[in-house]
Amino acid sequence: GAVVSQHPSWVICKSGTSVKIECRSLDFQATTMFWYRQFPKQSLMLMATSNEGSKATYEQGVEKDKFLINHASLTLSTLTVTSAHPEDSSFYICSARLPLGTRRNEQFFGPGTRLTVL
Amino acid sequence: DAKTTQPNSMESNEEEPVHLPCNHSTISGTDYIHWYRQLPSQGPEYVIHGLTSNVNNRMASLAIAEDRKSSTLILHRATLRDAAVYYCILPRSGPGNTPLVFGKGTRLSVIA
Repeated sequence: GAVVSQHPSWVICKSGTSVKIECRSLDFQATTMFWYRQFPKQSLMLMATSNEGSKATYEQGVEKDKFLINHASLTLSTLTVTSAHPEDSSFYICSARLPLGTRRNEQFFGPGTRLTVL
Repeated sequence: DAKTTQPNSMESNEEEPVHLPCNHSTISGTDYIHWYRQLPSQGPEYVIHGLTSNVNNRMASLAIAEDRKSSTLILHRATLRDAAVYYCILPRSGPGNTPLVFGKGTRLSVIA
């Protein structure tokens, strides 16, 4: 099956610093990746759609200058939380799609990155 | 985004079948119905998906109503490892690679 990895699995940082989270598709090429955020006891909230070689599409209410997304290759997308504050503490999850024409709208999810901002 | 409605929580005894319902009355003719589950502190895991016909795989079965306005995920023998939040999802409409947008899901508890 298709495998998506994330690094790091957890990170603790001081308020005001920036944190980069990597999302990789290990055995397939993903032209599109998605970033989600999940607060405790809540469902996943879609943050943005990351397209290889072009700008990300952000959901309404998600600050593009705060959550920088780069999809530089067909197997790697990064999410950088800039000037992180305690309210950014959350579980960040990425997912990748199989290319269109294979399994319809199949998404494979990474294991998540738990960010704690002190 | 197309809306799905699921019970907030359900409980099952171990080794018994579990039927998890989902209503999706606004589904369009080409929408696939997806089920994912999320174990604590993990990313969601694909369970099954279908369009019109009932579907079976090694994890579960998906029964889709004839009018497609509802579906039921069936776990044939619940185990403790099946305790998770189960999400019934319709893809966002639109061209290209549209994302899966999650609702609240059903939290399944399995009792030994």
